[in-house]
Amino acid sequence: RKEVEQDPGPFNVPEGATVAFNCTYSNSASQSFFWYRQDCRKEPKLLMSVYSSGNEDGRFTAQLNRASQYISLLIRDSKLSDSATYLCVVDSNRDDKIIFGKGTRLHILP
Amino acid sequence: EAEVAQSPRYKITEKSQAVAFWCDPISGHATLYWYRQILGQGPELLVQFQDESVVDDSQLPKDRFSAERLKGVDSTLKIQPAELGDSAMYLCASSSHSGQPQHFGDGTRLSIL
Repeated sequence: RKEVEQDPGPFNVPEGATVAFNCTYSNSASQSFFWYRQDCRKEPKLLMSVYSSGNEDGRFTAQLNRASQYISLLIRDSKLSDSATYLCVVDSNRDDKIIFGKGTRLHILP
Repeated sequence: EAEVAQSPRYKITEKSQAVAFWCDPISGHATLYWYRQILGQGPELLVQFQDESVVDDSQLPKDRFSAERLKGVDSTLKIQPAELGDSAMYLCASSSHSGQPQHFGDGTRLSIL
């Protein structure tokens, strides 16, 4: 299994729909998890941290499943402005290793 | 605009030349990262500093790349000599310490001719 793996997409989703994607990780010692958003030719920007209990920020919900070693991102009522690449980041505090996934491309269609 | 400062924003140079990038992290951030990102790929970590010390440079091509953070604040990344395959976006990020969210600079887009 790759260290951090994401479905590259693209996910083509109509505006207003709900979309979800996962990110799997191989290191069971991983401690910190994040979702970043990256627009074309821009720098990644932190979308949300992923906590063990899950967390929600408006239309966005992130979940962690330690048993199956994946994190998920759910976007409700999708907007055109949600079109971007979503990067999963896994940080193993034990060896300070940070791994970015290759990203999942999301296109919201009008 | 990003709080992590990077310069230059764009760099075009010929192969075999030397290239240098500069990064000034968010004030007080002890951890600094340099990434390389090829279009369509996720960022690849080149080097991670904790204060002035290198924590991880396992993916840094040390025959041509070097990085330093002498005073534990700003940092430079150098490539000498540059090769065609080095064309990419070079991103700098910082965090208060390892394991905390990273904040990215605008990046330097490098094109090698």
